[in-house]
Amino acid sequence: NAGVTQTPKFQVLKTGQSMTLQCAQDMNHEYMSWYRQDPGMGLRLIHYSVGAGITDQGEVPNGYNVSRSTTEDFPLRLLSAAPSQTSVYFCASSRLAQEQFFGPGTRLTVL
Amino acid sequence: DAKTTQPNSMESNEEEPVHLPCNHSTISGTDYIHWYRQLPSQGPEYVIHGLTSNVNNRMASLAIAEDRKSSTLILHRATLRDAAVYYCILRAPNRDNYGQNFVFGPGTRLSVLP
Repeated sequence: NAGVTQTPKFQVLKTGQSMTLQCAQDMNHEYMSWYRQDPGMGLRLIHYSVGAGITDQGEVPNGYNVSRSTTEDFPLRLLSAAPSQTSVYFCASSRLAQEQFFGPGTRLTVL
Repeated sequence: DAKTTQPNSMESNEEEPVHLPCNHSTISGTDYIHWYRQLPSQGPEYVIHGLTSNVNNRMASLAIAEDRKSSTLILHRATLRDAAVYYCILRAPNRDNYGQNFVFGPGTRLSVLP
């Protein structure tokens, strides 16, 4: 049981490049979410999903897309990277109202 | 907006108990109270959650007020490894407006002094 996995762990992009951050969970959780955390700040919700085929925006969705074609996977796409998207990105999953499991994070730097 | 309020920071001495408060005056009857913590340079980790009754696990205890408008996370003997940011959040057991369940406030930064 691997829990929540995220790839890559580190990434450096140039402004304007696109990429996909991968997130997978093997606990059959309905709920998955993406957060970003800037240095010295709290977590901010980007997008979340309450089941396969269902996604919705969080607090800071601009510049990001998500999809949920399977229960296990919830990739986050950066459409055109900007320096303001330099951050640590965390993916999490849970059952309804239950314990939320977080991945180890992806450190993204946009030059 | 986060539906909980916590002190920005607290300090404790090593091996002493720590009581971390959280106010959630607008809690609904079905909201669960969750606590997470984030150690430096790590992702958040679950600590404990409860609905009405006090809860204990190997990490901590959760004391919930009778009116459920506040709760307290209790670390029985603080260690240096407990220095972290502690988050109190509410989670509703329904799908409507579920995005609120994922909102983390700024939390309480706990410092543990040797």
